Amino acid sequence: AQSVTQLGSHVSVSEGALVLLRCNYSSSVPPYLFWYVQYPNQGLQLLLKYTSAATLVKGINGFEAEFKKSETSFHLTKPSAHMSDAAEYFCAVSSTQGNLIFGKGTKLSVKP
Amino acid sequence: EPEVTQTPSHQVTQMGQEVILRCVPISNHLYFYWYRQILGQKVEFLVSFYNNEISEKSEIFDDQFSVERPDGSNFTLKIRSTKLEDSAMYFCASKTSGPGYNEQFFGPGTRLTVL
Repeated sequence: AQSVTQLGSHVSVSEGALVLLRCNYSSSVPPYLFWYVQYPNQGLQLLLKYTSAATLVKGINGFEAEFKKSETSFHLTKPSAHMSDAAEYFCAVSSTQGNLIFGKGTKLSVKP
Repeated sequence: EPEVTQTPSHQVTQMGQEVILRCVPISNHLYFYWYRQILGQKVEFLVSFYNNEISEKSEIFDDQFSVERPDGSNFTLKIRSTKLEDSAMYFCASKTSGPGYNEQFFGPGTRLTVL
């Protein structure tokens, strides 16, 4: 069975600082991994996805994530935070049936 | 840009009442999903729907729940007799085809409050 763990329910960074949001997965098969972002009062928007083509995945808004099989991790990073990055971020793994299994989410705050 | 829409954005109901949550998936998508998020908890899968039938459902999706695609555009989730613990944000999602690497597109959600 697949599962996802997101460390840190709330992360706060200063504008311009590095953003690092952690995600670890458990999967009995090669995983398909996703990061979604949710802005207030909006739905979930895909940031990026890992589908085994390349271990370093680039997404929208300057975010990227690196798949590390040895560490069962798929952490999300952005070199320089912007105020507009404040949102909730969800890591997810695709189940063998195709539905998504989500982590609990990490709320990112960006201080001016 | 095509998007998934959901109505209503907020529904308040009394315990024991029936509610229907509506979704309009992206028009050329073939796979449809419902998820829910209880306040402060993770987003949880409820059900997937393909070719006019349920393809997968979670333990949460008991006999109180049903889904339907009544016409070519709408996809509905019905809760027959709501309970307090059904209060949550309900998200509809759709995607073009089945493989797990394909992106699911999510609607903005319906916040259901059961009193």
